[in-house]
Amino acid sequence: DIQMTQSPSSLSASVGDRVTITCRASQSIGTYLNWYHQKPGKAPKLLIYAASSLQRGVPSTFSGGGSGTDFTLTISSLQPEDFATYYCQQSHTMPATFGQGTRLEIK
Amino acid sequence: QVQLQESGPGLVKPSETLSLTCTVSGASISSYYWSWIRQPPGKGLELIGNIYYSGSTNYNPSLKSRVTISLDTSKNQFSLRLSSVTAADTAVYYCARYGSGYDIWGQGTMVTVSS
Repeated sequence: DIQMTQSPSSLSASVGDRVTITCRASQSIGTYLNWYHQKPGKAPKLLIYAASSLQRGVPSTFSGGGSGTDFTLTISSLQPEDFATYYCQQSHTMPATFGQGTRLEIK
Repeated sequence: QVQLQESGPGLVKPSETLSLTCTVSGASISSYYWSWIRQPPGKGLELIGNIYYSGSTNYNPSLKSRVTISLDTSKNQFSLRLSSVTAADTAVYYCARYGSGYDIWGQGTMVTVSS
């Protein structure tokens, strides 16, 4: 299986901050990389697909980048509703695998 | 608006078979990949497997020997069967649609394996 490693595992930030989460794949996956966030008790929500494409309805404060093995998710200005756990997921090779998650908390 | 809803028992005994159904509303199941994903309490996400509208499946190798995913197009549903369950199978089980990413999810259903 392709291993997905996110960093950091947790992050504290304030409303209005710019934050970046990174995701590294254990082998090259092109741009077959998606990002989600998940709030407690809720299902994950797709934010970014194909590494850099914004899912319909997701604010433009979210952006994604990278290819190959290294990827980033950036939130340009944190809003209160953005505090959640973030996951990357590769869809290059079955089984699709997820990163371990990055918990974004309010400072 | 496409919606997915999981249903099935919330408690399953060890060694028995877990069975869940996902009902799709607002769209036909006759396109896209349809998936089951689970999340043990306090842990991350694990793909169980996918089924294409044609009926072809692919499963996570770690679960393949115990998993069956099937489709009922007449009811616009797809189902999961996981046999010989243990406490390690206790999790929230989600059904989801794979378009560009897992773009639509059910709300999830908690399944506990316990005697």
